[in-house]
Amino acid sequence: AQSVTQPDIHITVSEGASLELRCNYSYGATPYLFWYVQSPGQGLQLLLKYFSGDTLVQGIKGFEAEFKRSQSSFNLRKPSVHWSDAAEYFCAVWGDFGNEKLTFGTGTRLTIIP
Amino acid sequence: ETGVTQSPTHLIKTRGQQVTLRCSSQSGHNTVSWYQQALGQGPQFIFQYYREEENGRGNFPPRFSGLQFPNYSSELNVNALELDDSALYLCASRSQGAWDNTEAFFGQGTRLTVV
Repeated sequence: AQSVTQPDIHITVSEGASLELRCNYSYGATPYLFWYVQSPGQGLQLLLKYFSGDTLVQGIKGFEAEFKRSQSSFNLRKPSVHWSDAAEYFCAVWGDFGNEKLTFGTGTRLTIIP
Repeated sequence: ETGVTQSPTHLIKTRGQQVTLRCSSQSGHNTVSWYQQALGQGPQFIFQYYREEENGRGNFPPRFSGLQFPNYSSELNVNALELDDSALYLCASRSQGAWDNTEAFFGQGTRLTVV
């Protein structure tokens, strides 16, 4: 069964500093991987996704993520965060053909300080 | 804004009651999924509907049921509400097909509180 682990429950970063959010997945074959962002009171918005090919994926709002098969990781990065990036971030995996579900991690809450 | 609308945005129900949540999918999308997001947790897949048929289900009891209509809108029904059903319920719509060719768009959710 597929699963996702986000080891950091809460991260605080200064505005303008770089960011890396960790995601580890468990799945036998090459998974489809996603990062979503959720602002307070909002639904989920897709930041980026990986299916195959180039392991460095570019997304919206200046985010990127790198797929590392050897580490079963798909970490999200941003070189310089803005106060508007404060939100909850979820990593998700799909890889169970015949079952349409996305499996989400428990999320990382990002706080930005001036 | 994604074009996926959910109603109501908030509601409060009493334990044992029944509730119906509604989702209007984005234009052109024929697949609707429902997720439950408890406080401090990631979304958990409840089930998915494609062309009015359930074609995938997560680990939720039968008192969670759904419908999809010919216009692809959907309902989530929960019977015999329990306190643990308190959560944000998210609806997602997409076009049927491989995930590399489609994207799921989420609504803003319905916050259900069971007292």
